[in-house]
Amino acid sequence: IAGITQAPTSQILAAGRRMTLRCTQDMRHNAMYWYRQDLGLGLRLIHYSNTAGTTGKGEVPDGYSVSRANTDDFPLTLASAVPSQTSVYFCASSTTSTGELFFGEGSRLTVL
Amino acid sequence: GQNIDQPTEMTATEGAIVQINCTYQTSGFNGLFWYQQHAGEAPTFLSYNVLDGLEEKGRFSSFLSRSKGYSYLLLKELQMKDSASYLCAVRDSNYQLIWGAGTKLIIKP
Repeated sequence: IAGITQAPTSQILAAGRRMTLRCTQDMRHNAMYWYRQDLGLGLRLIHYSNTAGTTGKGEVPDGYSVSRANTDDFPLTLASAVPSQTSVYFCASSTTSTGELFFGEGSRLTVL
Repeated sequence: GQNIDQPTEMTATEGAIVQINCTYQTSGFNGLFWYQQHAGEAPTFLSYNVLDGLEEKGRFSSFLSRSKGYSYLLLKELQMKDSASYLCAVRDSNYQLIWGAGTKLIIKP
């Protein structure tokens, strides 16, 4: 692994199903983030974690949950997917909460 | 509310120079970032400005005026591979990043 890895890269999901997007980084960065990107809108922060064991809510947290059990992993869970959660999801990390972000390749999620 | 404004789309010619503007209104300021995002790919870091003035990095330069809430990204000697979206983001007083919707730059031969 080099950098930050997301899985799956693409998924079609029925509404009401539970889904976890995985994110792993090998850069030992303290801070990690989940964003969603929708056409015509800027990246919107869903949840973040400044260090292992802590998480915080971003701009659009409803319907999503995260955990940060260790430095490397930061999974995003949709408990019961809805069509409005159709989006491209990016995981990112940074050395500190003020540094530049390194992004994963994205997970394209379609909820039908 | 907090707001980042940048043009939706710009077109330029290969070999030319283009300036992409970004204006912002945020609660506090702790730095401005520019990222490049090719279609279907992840954003990648281009530049960071926290003090007024021009930061030059090869063919790309970024300018900041904090008093005017204004930044621009200047791309010189445009190449076809520069066709991408350019994202402006400001870190506010809570150290949260506020993102613009991005400027899609189309380069024509």
